[in-house]
Amino acid sequence: EAQVTQNPRYLITVTGKKLTVTCSQNMNHEYMSWYRQDPGLGLRQIYYSMNVEVTDKGDVPEGYKVSRKEKRNFPLILESPSPNQTSLYFCASSLLGGESNQPQHFGDGTRLSIL
Amino acid sequence: DQQVKQNSPSLSVQEGRISILNCDYTNSMFDYFLWYKKYPAEGPTFLISISSIKDKNEDGRFTVFLNKSAKHLSLHIVPSQPGDSAVYFCAASVHFGNEKLTFGTGTRLTIIP
Repeated sequence: EAQVTQNPRYLITVTGKKLTVTCSQNMNHEYMSWYRQDPGLGLRQIYYSMNVEVTDKGDVPEGYKVSRKEKRNFPLILESPSPNQTSLYFCASSLLGGESNQPQHFGDGTRLSIL
Repeated sequence: DQQVKQNSPSLSVQEGRISILNCDYTNSMFDYFLWYKKYPAEGPTFLISISSIKDKNEDGRFTVFLNKSAKHLSLHIVPSQPGDSAVYFCAASVHFGNEKLTFGTGTRLTIIP
């Protein structure tokens, strides 16, 4: 089954304790991205990657890091989490190029609470 | 600065009637638009899209209309079914690829049986 898998689905942690949210896709997609969803703000892009070792900032990258060492994985790293990073996070992936636009496929989300 | 706006946070529609969800955008460089549907505890799923070279795209019960001069798009669902109850996000992108998506804030649609 084609899917984007995020782990963990839920996490409660404390300020300053480094954490990593993993994202893996099995569709051989070149493009991967992280979003956060906050009430009244919709989904905002944090970072994206066009291919292995190619990453770039989205609209709200502050406080986050990413890496793309393998095509299937795109982890989101919070080196020193703060309460304003409490949010619902989504990973997405898609094919690039071709004759038609390819819609992004989303994971089921990770709810992070930073106390 | 919200470049994609969904001004109705919620909408209730009787089952069998038409649901119309609206979306406005400010960036005239956007040339590709998508609608995503989201159920609780799940990620958004792609519903329908439209390129700026068209003004209408239809897929079964779902039709998206684009009015470029007004910078406005709408999603019509006919007839509405209980399973359509969800949050709907419109999204837009610049240039051919949809990699850099800008999302609206979402509209919660409730279909009343």
